[in-house]
Amino acid sequence: GQSLEQPSEVTAVEGAIVQMNCTYQTSGFYGLSWYQQHDGGAPTFLSYNALDGLEETGRFSSFLSRSDSYGYLLLQELQMKDSASYFCAVRDKAAGNKLTFGGGTRVLVKP
Amino acid sequence: NAGVTQTPKFRVLKTGQSMTLLCAQDMNHEYMYWYRQDPGMGLRLIHYSVGEGTTAKGEVPDGYNVSRLKKQNFLLGLESAAPSQTSVYFCASSQPSVYRQETQYFGPGTRLLVL
Repeated sequence: GQSLEQPSEVTAVEGAIVQMNCTYQTSGFYGLSWYQQHDGGAPTFLSYNALDGLEETGRFSSFLSRSDSYGYLLLQELQMKDSASYFCAVRDKAAGNKLTFGGGTRVLVKP
Repeated sequence: NAGVTQTPKFRVLKTGQSMTLLCAQDMNHEYMYWYRQDPGMGLRLIHYSVGEGTTAKGEVPDGYNVSRLKKQNFLLGLESAAPSQTSVYFCASSQPSVYRQETQYFGPGTRLLVL
């Protein structure tokens, strides 16, 4: 089966940088996605990595190392609105291409 | 475009009652999914559909049934609700991609409380 591990919570101050790690175990790995979810809201797509390396979208960057089965999401210049839960998800050929989500990292941004 | 919509937004059921959750999408997506999310946890896949008239079991299908009679709608049924089914239910849709990147678009969720 598939399994993903994420730290449960991270606290940081406005303007800082926070990195959220995700380690996974799958077979037939396609790619790693990241979703953001504010309290009471729906998950929304942030980024996707299929190949090794860093993908940057504004203040958000996502990294993947396929050989290490590891990825991370980097948030720069933290803002209060970044307080949310962040989920990594893998698409696995062995699981019929369905997404499997990690338990999420809750990010709390303090003034 | 409304995207993905869910009905109802909130519901309280008594143990043993039945209900149907409705999900609709206007993006002409082939794939649709039902997830449940328990407090402080990630999303777990209940059932999914890869096209009109097709359904398949996900990670936690017991106690639920689904139907996809129309491409734009995906129904989730609880035949006999149990307190363990108290959760937030999210519907999502996506369009398959040859490049493997397949963004899922989520509805606002249905909060279900089973007493």
